Amino acid sequence: DAKTTQPTSMDCAEGRAANLPCNHSTISGNEYVYWYRQIHSQGPQYIIHGLKNNETNEMASLIITEDRKSSTLILPHATLRDTAVYYCIVKADNAGNMLTFGGGTRLMVKP
Amino acid sequence: NAGVMQNPRHLVRRRGQEARLRCSPMKGHSHVYWYRQLPEEGLKFMVYLQKENIIDESGMPKERFSAEFPKEGPSILRIQQVVRGDSAAYFCASSSAPINTGELFFGEGSRLTVL
Repeated sequence: DAKTTQPTSMDCAEGRAANLPCNHSTISGNEYVYWYRQIHSQGPQYIIHGLKNNETNEMASLIITEDRKSSTLILPHATLRDTAVYYCIVKADNAGNMLTFGGGTRLMVKP
Repeated sequence: NAGVMQNPRHLVRRRGQEARLRCSPMKGHSHVYWYRQLPEEGLKFMVYLQKENIIDESGMPKERFSAEFPKEGPSILRIQQVVRGDSAAYFCASSSAPINTGELFFGEGSRLTVL
């Protein structure tokens, strides 16, 4: 699976959009981009995933660059409850059964 | 629809004792995954099971750790002769199909403390 690079930490003002970048410059054509988050002391929570098209759901939007070498997770109106570690993971649909979690980005939403 | 249920949420054991962690997947899910998170570290895959079968145990320590997912009942992660280094949060996840086609749903974890 391709390696991902994320900033260690980010701050965001409450009510503003949180834009979390992820670099996956070695991604292969059949690898999906997954985003999960882990709020303190809780289990990880699935957010969204995509292959090449931008995706949106009730939680967030995922913007994938045309060359697929990077992506951005957007939380449109961050709340204090969005404070968490956000993990960007790339995985091919035929590459085993585990998700490999890296260090993630620690997002702190501030009032 | 209840989510992934793990118990106990907290478990304290002395060195040398056994720890058993249980995981009931979401209704309709037959794929179970166990992950371990050491203090201040990321999640590490341990094992992937389907009913009555271990599919991938590449992340399991070679000794003292075992997992099962019987035809009836929850999945069990068993740690024999625990040591202090086993202190961690153990998360179970389930899916309705192999992860390559969908998302994982995680439980709230079982936190093991070894004295």
